[in-house]
Amino acid sequence: AQKITQTQPGMFVQEKEAVTLDCTYDTSDQSYGLFWYKQPSSGEMIFLIYQGSYDEQNATEGRYSLNFQKARKSANLVISASQLGDSAMYFCAMREDAGGTSYGKLTFGQGTILTVHP
Amino acid sequence: DAEITQSPRHKITETGRQVTLACHQTWNHNNMFWYRQDLGHGLRLIHYSYGVHDTNKGEVSDGYSVSRSNTEDLPLTLESAASSQTSVYFCASSPTSGLFNEQFFGPGTRLTVL
Repeated sequence: AQKITQTQPGMFVQEKEAVTLDCTYDTSDQSYGLFWYKQPSSGEMIFLIYQGSYDEQNATEGRYSLNFQKARKSANLVISASQLGDSAMYFCAMREDAGGTSYGKLTFGQGTILTVHP
Repeated sequence: DAEITQSPRHKITETGRQVTLACHQTWNHNNMFWYRQDLGHGLRLIHYSYGVHDTNKGEVSDGYSVSRSNTEDLPLTLESAASSQTSVYFCASSPTSGLFNEQFFGPGTRLTVL
């Protein structure tokens, strides 16, 4: 069974600094996808970034990058130049991709609350 | 623009009542999902569907049911609501083509069972 672990219940960062949110995963699948979602206080789920298990390069999307270390089964989210609007709950999630076809189901971690201080 | 909507957004009900939460998507996605969000647990999968007339149980399916009669809708029914089902419920959808298929989430329904 797949499992996602986010060991940081809460993180604090100063505005304009970088922050890393940790995510480790456990799966026996060779093909899988890793996602990060942001959930602001308004409650919606906002997709941030995706990394495929066969992708050789770390994914980047603007100020977000995913530090993918396959051997260590970690997929940490790095937010550069933090902004006050980055204060939110962040979820790491994993999807099984058996046989090259996505089945869509996501397994989520417990989440990390990020607070950005001015 | 395509979207995924949920109704109602907020619902208060009593123990033992049947409750149905609606989910409607205009993305024309085959895959649809229901999750519940509780403190300390993140989001957990309740039921999911990969197409019309297909439904599958997720991690926390006890006390819930779904049916899929068309591509756009996947209603979630609580047969006899219990206080343990007080939660925020998210519906989501995704396409099946390609490997990178972001899962799109609805705005959520906050359900309180008294």
